[in-house]
Amino acid sequence: DVVMTQSPLSLPVTLGQPASISCRSSQSLVYSDGNTYLTWFQQRPGQSPRRLIYQVSNRDSGVPDRFSGSGSGTDFTLKISRVEAEDVGVYYCMQGTHRTLTFGGGTKVEIK
Amino acid sequence: QLQLEESGPGLLKPSETLSLTCAVSGVSISRTSYHWGWIRQPPEKGLEWIGTIYYSGDTYYNPSLQSRVAISRDTSKNQFSLRLNSVTAADTAVYYCATYYGSGSAFDHWGQGTLVSVSS
Repeated sequence: DVVMTQSPLSLPVTLGQPASISCRSSQSLVYSDGNTYLTWFQQRPGQSPRRLIYQVSNRDSGVPDRFSGSGSGTDFTLKISRVEAEDVGVYYCMQGTHRTLTFGGGTKVEIK
Repeated sequence: QLQLEESGPGLLKPSETLSLTCAVSGVSISRTSYHWGWIRQPPEKGLEWIGTIYYSGDTYYNPSLQSRVAISRDTSKNQFSLRLNSVTAADTAVYYCATYYGSGSAFDHWGQGTLVSVSS
């Protein structure tokens, strides 16, 4: 199975400051169709996961533009340009390229 | 508006079978290119994909659970179901049903989740 490794595990951030989460895969996530199926989810406390970003960098409707995704191959990043209180939660990356879907372990974003 | 809602028993004993149903509204589960999955999350832990049933009716399961799991659908009721045999305490988790459209398994709609506890 493809192992997804996120860092850091915990990310204390001051309100209004940027935040960056890394996600690395043990194999390339480029699919045979040329697309890279790397997705980012946000899970607020007590809520279901919510998709933020799909195919590395495509932001979902309703997702604030302070969220952005980038990367290629095996190395990906989710950035929050200016953290707001509503961004508190756990962020997961997930690969959908290889048939057995796998998630990263999660990064907990909290306010300092 | 596409909505999913899980239902099923919240408490099981070891060796029993977990059975959950996901009722779907807003789209037909047999509509082309919509795929339906189950994901679980043990308390205070991360997400684990269990399996997916594709719009065609084909299924694919996490190899770690394959020997115990089955996902099926009832198109007349517009719902799909999860069965997990021989449960243990390690199967205690919040179980989510979710869906995505097209390729890439990027689940974009999730149910609210249902907690299943396994205890003697």
